[in-house]
Amino acid sequence: LVLTQSPSASASLGASVKLTCTLSSGHSSYAIAWHQQQPEKGPRYLMKVNSDGSHSKGDGIPDRFSGSSSGAERYLTISSLQSEDEADYYCQTWGTGMGVFGGGTKLTVL
Amino acid sequence: EVQLVESGGGLVQSGGSLRLSCAASGFPFSSQSMNWVRQAPGKGLEWVSYISSSSSTIYYADSVKGRFTISRDNAKNSLYLQMNSLRAEDTAVYYCARPDSGTWRYFDYWGQGTLVTVSS
Repeated sequence: LVLTQSPSASASLGASVKLTCTLSSGHSSYAIAWHQQQPEKGPRYLMKVNSDGSHSKGDGIPDRFSGSSSGAERYLTISSLQSEDEADYYCQTWGTGMGVFGGGTKLTVL
Repeated sequence: EVQLVESGGGLVQSGGSLRLSCAASGFPFSSQSMNWVRQAPGKGLEWVSYISSSSSTIYYADSVKGRFTISRDNAKNSLYLQMNSLRAEDTAVYYCARPDSGTWRYFDYWGQGTLVTVSS
């Protein structure tokens, strides 16, 4: 089980961005979680995204953050980008007896 | 409010030992499984270990199996990670992470982390 993320992404202040996490072959039914890590801080749980595209957000996560799915891909969309959204974003799931993280996407807000 | 506070990190020589602690509050710790996750400097997140609520089920990443031991004390609302035979590649910030109570698979709360530095 492998989660694949693009290493970097960028978008302008006030715009929207869609980050992708791809599940390896044979695991397209898995849900994943998205976590945000701002510079010099610990990770923060954003949401869980199911294979049907439904998602459930963590406490206090703004409506600007949403999740969706298509096949083996799980998405995190951030709208109305703010400077504090500049961070690393990790997807995460659970395999057989082990936690699995994607390599992370570094989001730059221009 | 859920709180996870790690402690016990520090500088240790290669081959040495260290014991990390995670103090939990704001939720029924004794009914919740827990995890340790680490992050080497400038690198991504790496899952380290899992322990079920009753300690009956424990998992380790291959990179730490045989050297690290996870444990918990439900009476003290505390999670532990005993790290032996430490190597330079174990240098990282170590986080305790609580999984969701429904599936136990997705980490919905994190601590602030404690830094472990292994000098060679």
